[in-house]
Amino acid sequence: NAGVTQTPKFQVLKTGQSMTLQCAQDMNHEYMSWYRQDPGMGLRLIHYSVGAGITDQGEVPNGYNVSRSTTEDFPLRLLSAAPSQTSVYFCASSRTSLFGYTFGSGTRLTVV
Amino acid sequence: DAKTTQPNSMESNEEEPVHLPCNHSTISGTDYIHWYRQLPSQGPEYVIHGLTSNVNNRMASLAIAEDRKSSTLILHRATLRDAAVYYCILRDEVKGSNYKLTFGKGTLLTVNP
Repeated sequence: NAGVTQTPKFQVLKTGQSMTLQCAQDMNHEYMSWYRQDPGMGLRLIHYSVGAGITDQGEVPNGYNVSRSTTEDFPLRLLSAAPSQTSVYFCASSRTSLFGYTFGSGTRLTVV
Repeated sequence: DAKTTQPNSMESNEEEPVHLPCNHSTISGTDYIHWYRQLPSQGPEYVIHGLTSNVNNRMASLAIAEDRKSSTLILHRATLRDAAVYYCILRDEVKGSNYKLTFGKGTLLTVNP
């Protein structure tokens, strides 16, 4: 039981490049979310999904796309990286209600 | 969304109990009180949650005021490994909004040896 797996752990991008942050969970959780954390701040919700085929925007969705074709996977796509997207990104999953979220170990992204 | 208020930082000594307070005066009847912690360079970790009654698990205890406007996370014997940022979060269990966790800045707990 691996929990929530995020890849890569570190990434450096040039402005304008695109990339996909991967997130996979093996707990059959319906809810999955992407958060970003900037220095000295709490986590902010980017996008979330309440089940396969269902996604929606969170608090800071601009510049990011998501899809949920399977229960297990929830990739986050950066379409055209900007320095403002330099951050640590966390993926999380949960059962529907009354359960805590399990977080991945994060992807540290730097855009130069 | 209902908000929570926590002290910015607290300090404790190893092997002593720690009481981490959280105020949530605008809590609604469908809000569960969740606690997470984040160790340095790691993702947040679920600690405990409750609705009205006090809750215990292997990590901590959660004491909820009778009017639910405040709660306290209790670490019974702090260890150096408990040094982290602790987040008190209200999670609305009403369908349609129970997917999200709204993180504040939390309380930075320092544990002295």
